[in-house]
Amino acid sequence: SSELTQDPTASVALGQTVTITCQGDSLKIHYASWYQKKPGQAPILVLYAENSRPSGIPERFSGSASGDTASLTLTGAQAEDESVYYCSSRDTYSDDWLFGGGTRLTVL
Amino acid sequence: QLDLVESGGGVVQPGGSLRLSCEAFGFTFSNYGMHWVRQAPGRGLEWVSFIKYDGSRKYFRESVRGRGSISRDNLQNTMSLQINNVIPEDTAVYFCARDVRAVMGISPYYYMDVWGKGATVIVSS
Repeated sequence: SSELTQDPTASVALGQTVTITCQGDSLKIHYASWYQKKPGQAPILVLYAENSRPSGIPERFSGSASGDTASLTLTGAQAEDESVYYCSSRDTYSDDWLFGGGTRLTVL
Repeated sequence: QLDLVESGGGVVQPGGSLRLSCEAFGFTFSNYGMHWVRQAPGRGLEWVSFIKYDGSRKYFRESVRGRGSISRDNLQNTMSLQINNVIPEDTAVYFCARDVRAVMGISPYYYMDVWGKGATVIVSS
């Protein structure tokens, strides 16, 4: 099966903007979805279908995609956004679903 | 209110079987495919298994294929996962999640929009 690759860590100053990327062959065909995961909590869907936000997710979360890369951009980061973010997509070559390794975002 | 509740976690001896259940609340369960996703200690999210809304298709990640079974009861709004011959690497928090799929233009898209709080499985003697 394919893989989704994320940088392990990222940081952003409070109120500033950060972009987290996810790269993989499956993203040439399939849209990515993004999940926020905090310790001891269930994952929360924050973006799907490139740039759609579920109800209740702040507008400061946005997404984009180009070629084999999907991106999550956080504009005006808040302290509560500190979390691990995972991308996910269907696999192109099998019936599997894929998750990236996660990006731990620190808000400074 | 949409909710998924996992049950059945605990300590399982190596070589034994883990059995987990997921009960759905607040939506028409029979309309949705369902996933199991796990997170081992200190590791990332890992997809484990999927069952189609009517139970007609079942998929497993490679490391579970041949050891796992997944089923659902659309009358009881429940889904179950069993993994046999468990190994320490099966130690994880197991989450059930609802599958959503739609089409944008001609492109399908998929995501998991409702998640349970998870059930912990520890494989240890």
